[in-house]
Amino acid sequence: EAQVTQNPRYLITVTGKKLTVTCSQNMNHEYMSWYRQDPGLGLRQIYYSMNVEVTDKGDVPEGYKVSRKEKRNFPLILESPSPNQTSLYFCASSTYSNEQFFGPGTRLTVL
Amino acid sequence: GESVGLHLPTLSVQEGDNSIINCAYSNSASDYFIWYKQESGKGPQFIIDIRSNMDKRQGQRVTVLLNKTVKHLSLQIAATQPGDSAVYFCAETAQPNNNDMRFGAGTRLTVKP
Repeated sequence: EAQVTQNPRYLITVTGKKLTVTCSQNMNHEYMSWYRQDPGLGLRQIYYSMNVEVTDKGDVPEGYKVSRKEKRNFPLILESPSPNQTSLYFCASSTYSNEQFFGPGTRLTVL
Repeated sequence: GESVGLHLPTLSVQEGDNSIINCAYSNSASDYFIWYKQESGKGPQFIIDIRSNMDKRQGQRVTVLLNKTVKHLSLQIAATQPGDSAVYFCAETAQPNNNDMRFGAGTRLTVKP
């Protein structure tokens, strides 16, 4: 089944404790991206990747890192999480110019 | 700045009626538009898309209309069913690829039995 998976689905952590949210797709898509979704603000892009070893900042990259060492994986790293990073996070993948397939989401709470 | 927005945050319809969800965009260079459906606890799911060289596109029970003159996009759902209850949002991009896609905040559709 073609899908985008994210782990964990739910995470509660404390300020400053490094965490990684994994994202994996099995559709051989070149393009992957991370979004955060906050009430009233819709989806905002954090980082995106056009292909392996190619990443770039989206609209709200501060406080986040990503890597793309393999085509299928695009982990999101929070080196020192802060409460304002409490949000619902979505990973998405696509071919370059078509619809994006979204993962199920990761709900992160930073205390 | 450029923005994508929705006219109404909530919409309530009777089962069997038609639903119309609207979206306004401000970037005149936008040339690819998508409607997504997001059910509670799930990620956004593609419904239908349209490119700027078209003004109408139909899918199964859904139709997207694009009016480039007034920069307006709408999603019409025919014979709305309880399973259509969700948040719907539009997205647009002016890029040939997806690295500049902008999403609206969403409209919550509630279908009453």
